[in-house]
Amino acid sequence: DTEVTQTPKHLVMGMTNKKSLKCEQHMGHRAMYWYKQKAKKPPELMFVYSYEKLSINESVPSRFSPECPNSSLLNLHLHALQPEDSALYLCASSPPPLAGFYEQYFGPGTRLTVT
Amino acid sequence: DQQVKQNSPSLSVQEGRISILNCDYTNSMFDYFLWYKKYPAEGPTFLISISSIKDKNEDGRFTVFLNKSAKHLSLHIVPSQPGDSAVYFCAASALNDYKLSFGAGTTVTVRA
Repeated sequence: DTEVTQTPKHLVMGMTNKKSLKCEQHMGHRAMYWYKQKAKKPPELMFVYSYEKLSINESVPSRFSPECPNSSLLNLHLHALQPEDSALYLCASSPPPLAGFYEQYFGPGTRLTVT
Repeated sequence: DQQVKQNSPSLSVQEGRISILNCDYTNSMFDYFLWYKKYPAEGPTFLISISSIKDKNEDGRFTVFLNKSAKHLSLHIVPSQPGDSAVYFCAASALNDYKLSFGAGTTVTVRA
């Protein structure tokens, strides 16, 4: 099973709303990632969790707050977003690359629209 | 600074023919290279990978070639099928690095 699931599939929120994106994997992967993808652009890395600890924050604005409650779940809490934050948000997972190379497996994404 | 480049934004190929997608990179620390396929409104799907100790890796209709001295890799799809119409991303990483550097993508259209 190489499935990463994400909910919701679509989300529309106002600039004053608070919402959360959820991601789940049951492949036993101990590295999980959040990416942002704009139309016709490659995915941009936002955060990396390794063994449930935040390893990488790519200078993401604080209106995005990640959380990793356990080894299977990854959340992205959203607050006071701007219209330019509208994008496809992708979650991915992989074994931690501590002894070689591993491909990342992506979820289907959440299409976020900020109004 | 774009470390992985896909200089062809689009490619159109007839069904049954070969599709060749190219990718160049600048970072000599990259040791692992991947190709992902993406349909609209879906997440990228892993296709095939190659490590720098090899120069070729094959999986069914997909073959990736790596020329490390030229910092160039290519993906061959033979024969091309209508379901192959998608955006293809080349990606690269260094040993023990979490980060994948992606190219801008090539949109492949397979004509019947």
